[in-house]
Amino acid sequence: DIQMTQSPSSLSASVGDRVTITCQASQDISNYLNWYQQKPGKAPKLLIYDASNLETGVPSRFSGSGSGTDFTFTISSLQPEDIATYYCQQYDNLALTFGGGTKVEIK
Amino acid sequence: EVQLVESGGGLVQPGRSLRLSCTASGFTFGDYAMSWVRQAPGKGLEWVGFIRSKAYGGTTEYAASVKGRFTISRDDSKSIAYLQMNSLKTEDTAVYYCTRDHGEMATILPYWGQGTLVTVSS
Repeated sequence: DIQMTQSPSSLSASVGDRVTITCQASQDISNYLNWYQQKPGKAPKLLIYDASNLETGVPSRFSGSGSGTDFTFTISSLQPEDIATYYCQQYDNLALTFGGGTKVEIK
Repeated sequence: EVQLVESGGGLVQPGRSLRLSCTASGFTFGDYAMSWVRQAPGKGLEWVGFIRSKAYGGTTEYAASVKGRFTISRDDSKSIAYLQMNSLKTEDTAVYYCTRDHGEMATILPYWGQGTLVTVSS
């Protein structure tokens, strides 16, 4: 199975800061990588699909990049409503795998 | 509007069985793969398994942690996906989410239900 290593596990940043989260796959997954946001007590929400495509209705301060094994998720200017846990997720023909999550807090 | 509503969660003893249902509306159910994802209390997301659309054989795949114990099925005529959980263990305690895929294969998960809590305890 493909393993996803996400880092950091948590971070604290100020409003307006640029925030970056990375996700590394244990083998080449091309661009089959999605990013989700989960707020406490809520279901996850899809933000980015296929590594760099912004889901409809998602603010443009969210972006993703990468291919192969190394991926990056960026919030260009952190807002108070972005406080959440973020997960990467890969897919191949036989399974889906989530990263361990990154909890983002306001400093 | 796409809606997914899970039901069937609750308290169950170790070794017993439970069946979850996911009732869908707002789209042509048979055209999409459906996945189950769970989240143990205070932990991250864990993929449980998925069922492909009938166009792709309606076949299933499972995470190693549940393979042989859990079974996913679908009734396209009723727009319901099921998760049959047998030989439950305490480590299966989690919120179980039903998700609809972006398409016929399990790839991207744009739609999620509200989740149903399963507690395995004696």
